Amino acid sequence: EAQVTQNPRYLITVTGKKLTVTCSQNMNHEYMSWYRQDPGLGLRQIYYSMNVEVTDKGDVPEGYKVSRKEKRNFPLILESPSPNQTSLYFCASSLSASGSTDTQYFGPGTRLTVL
Amino acid sequence: SQKIEQNSEALNIQEGKTATLTCNYTNYSPAYLQWYRQDPGRGPVFLLLIRENEKEKRKERLKVTFDTTLKQSLFHITASQPADSATYLCALGGSYIPTFGRGTSLIVHP
Repeated sequence: EAQVTQNPRYLITVTGKKLTVTCSQNMNHEYMSWYRQDPGLGLRQIYYSMNVEVTDKGDVPEGYKVSRKEKRNFPLILESPSPNQTSLYFCASSLSASGSTDTQYFGPGTRLTVL
Repeated sequence: SQKIEQNSEALNIQEGKTATLTCNYTNYSPAYLQWYRQDPGRGPVFLLLIRENEKEKRKERLKVTFDTTLKQSLFHITASQPADSATYLCALGGSYIPTFGRGTSLIVHP
């Protein structure tokens, strides 16, 4: 089944404790991205990746890191989480970012709470 | 600045009626526009894509129009059902960073 998976689905942590949210897709998509979704603010892109070893900042990259060592995986790293990073996070992938098939497939979401 | 506007107030309609949702944008020239459905606590799911040179697109009970002069897209669900209740997001594309609207909640009453 074609899908984007994220882990963990729920995470409660404390300020400053490094964490990684994993994202994996099995559709051989080139483009992957991370979003956060907050009430009243909608989906905001954190980072995106056009392909392996190619990443770039989205609208709200501060406090986050990403890597793209393999095509299928795109982990999101919070080196020192803070309470303002409490949010619902989505990973998404699409075949390419500039082709006619730019449909994004979203993962199930990770609800992160930073105390 | 670039802006995408979707009605923040929920749209309440009766089952069987046509729901119409609006997506307006400013200072943007999208090559295409997409509509997604999002259920609470879940990821958005793609519904329809319409390109800048297309006026209308249909898929089963769904219809999307795209007016680049008015800078507006309308999303219609005909013969709406309670199962259509969800939040609907529009997204503009054309660069490498797709931009989403905040979504409009649709509630279909039996």
